[in-house]
Amino acid sequence: EDQVTQSPEALRLQEGESSSLNCSYTVSGLRGLFWYRQDPGKGPEFLFTLYSAGEEKEKERLKATLTKKESFLHITAPKPEDSATYLCAVPGGATNKLIFGTGTLLAVQP
Amino acid sequence: DAGVTQSPTHLIKTRGQHVTLRCSPISGHKSVSWYQQVLGQGPQFIFQYYEKEERGRGNFPDRFSARQFPNYSSELNVNALLLGDSALYLCASSFMTGGDGYTFGSGTRLTVV
Repeated sequence: EDQVTQSPEALRLQEGESSSLNCSYTVSGLRGLFWYRQDPGKGPEFLFTLYSAGEEKEKERLKATLTKKESFLHITAPKPEDSATYLCAVPGGATNKLIFGTGTLLAVQP
Repeated sequence: DAGVTQSPTHLIKTRGQHVTLRCSPISGHKSVSWYQQVLGQGPQFIFQYYEKEERGRGNFPDRFSARQFPNYSSELNVNALLLGDSALYLCASSFMTGGDGYTFGSGTRLTVV
């Protein structure tokens, strides 16, 4: 069964303190891995898509990487405005429905 | 360009009532998917529609139904509401049914009392 697991569930950082979020996945035939950012009460906002092991993508203070079993979202020198829930998802089944992890709630304190 | 628009943004319903949620996809997108997100959890897939046909259904009871109109907008209907239906309902649009890119709306917050 296709599955996505994210860790940690919650992470509190000081401004400028770099860290990484983990997304482990089990899927039959990876057709991409998506990272989204979600602010409270809002819909997920697309960040990155990764398709193959070794691929990396960057956007401002965020860098996403992919291996055959997991993906990491690296946050370098975070700012308070980076505080949000970060969701990881993979397309699964015949319809490419997104299978989400439970997310990592990131809080960056000034 | 307008993104994915959902209405209403919030609503409160009583147990046993019926609710209809609406979604307009990005212009040019032909596929609409619905997801339910309970507080503290990731979104769960409910339905996918493409070219007005149901292409996929998640593990939800028959009280949940949906349809897509000729202009590609969509409705999600939930009958006989239960307290456990309280959640953020998200609509996602994509050009096709592939996983190449899903854009989400801001969601409808449904509270069942």
